[in-house]
Amino acid sequence: DVKVTQSSRYLVKRTGEKVFLECVQDMDHENMFWYRQDPGLGLRLIYFSYDVKMKEKGDIPEGYSVSREKKERFSLILESASTNQTSMYLCASSFPGQGGNTEAFFGQGTRLTVV
Amino acid sequence: AQKVTQAQTEISVVEKEDVTLDCVYETRDTTYYLFWYKQPPSGELVFLIRRNSFDEQNEISGRYSWNFQKSTSSFNFTITASQVVDSAVYFCALFNDYKLSFGAGTTVTVRA
Repeated sequence: DVKVTQSSRYLVKRTGEKVFLECVQDMDHENMFWYRQDPGLGLRLIYFSYDVKMKEKGDIPEGYSVSREKKERFSLILESASTNQTSMYLCASSFPGQGGNTEAFFGQGTRLTVV
Repeated sequence: AQKVTQAQTEISVVEKEDVTLDCVYETRDTTYYLFWYKQPPSGELVFLIRRNSFDEQNEISGRYSWNFQKSTSSFNFTITASQVVDSAVYFCALFNDYKLSFGAGTTVTVRA
């Protein structure tokens, strides 16, 4: 069964802390994505990656960085957490299959609160 | 640049009514993929459909149907004879050049 796993369901961090959100997929997918979801704003793309060590900025990369050292793992880093980064974070992966790119498979989400 | 617009923020209907969700997209590429996802109150994202840019055939799956029109860059979604279980947020998404972008979502409320 397809699986995308995010390391934490809930996190509470203090302002200024460095925060790591981890995402692991077991489907050998090339593409991985990080989104944040806020009410009324949908899913906004933070960063994406199409291969190991490759990373591209999404629509709202400010205040975030990512790391993809292994194909199955895509980490989102908040260098210095701020209260406006309180949000639900969703990781996803997809595969450029023979019939074209597959749908994205999502993790369960991490609800991050920065206090 | 690519963009997905779901102009309808919220739609409220009575059970058994039909509801159509609009999705308009922007891309400069000729090869791309379009998706619809459902997010029920439980929070998980449920994949509904994928359509590639070369396949303009409309599709029906049970009470769900999709109308893809490249000429107007639209990929609309209709729920026929809505049910309370259809209450959810629905997202349209566009994939091209490795990037997957979502619209802001439309919240559908179906009242009994």
